[in-house]
Amino acid sequence: EIVLTQSPGTLSLSPGERATLSCRASQSVSSSNLAWYQQKPGQAPRLLIYGASSRATGIPDRFSGSGSGTDFTLTISRLEPEDFALYHCQQYGSSPWTFGQGTKVEIK
Amino acid sequence: EVQLVESGGGLVQPGGSLRLSCAASGFTFSSYAMTWVRQAPGKGLEWVSVISDSGDNTNYADSVKGRFTISRDNSKNSLYLQMNSLRAEDTAVYYCARGKYYFHWWGQGTLVTVSS
Repeated sequence: EIVLTQSPGTLSLSPGERATLSCRASQSVSSSNLAWYQQKPGQAPRLLIYGASSRATGIPDRFSGSGSGTDFTLTISRLEPEDFALYHCQQYGSSPWTFGQGTKVEIK
Repeated sequence: EVQLVESGGGLVQPGGSLRLSCAASGFTFSSYAMTWVRQAPGKGLEWVSVISDSGDNTNYADSVKGRFTISRDNSKNSLYLQMNSLRAEDTAVYYCARGKYYFHWWGQGTLVTVSS
């Protein structure tokens, strides 16, 4: 199975700063079949990005995804207070689908 | 509005069984594959199982294969997960999610605790 490694584990930033989250796959993710989710404590995950770079419905354009092959990035251009949360990547190119261990974006 | 509501979680002893349900509304349930995803306390997400829109095709994570059974009743707009031979490592919040590949809609989750 494809192992997804997210880095860093925790990102400490201030509101207004740019956040860059990495998701690296142990083997190539076919057709850029990679998604990103945001999760807040006690809540279900929320889909942000699918197909590596397509924003889900209702997601602000400060969220963007990029990458292909084994290296993918989620960028939040300017952090808003509501963006401090846990972020997961998920690949759906090779069964079984797998998730990364998550990156926590916390207020500095 | 799409809604997914899980139920059936609780405390169960190792080796025991539990059946989770997911009630769907706000969309044509029979047109969508459905998936179960779980999250152990303080851990990441783990894909558990998927079932096709008709219920004819299923797939499981190796960690639950042979112990868990996914099913659906399209007449009742409901998804199920029968969990047998439960282990401590099955302790998690179980989410149902709409779709097969990536998941735009999730339920709020139901907590399963396996402990003596």
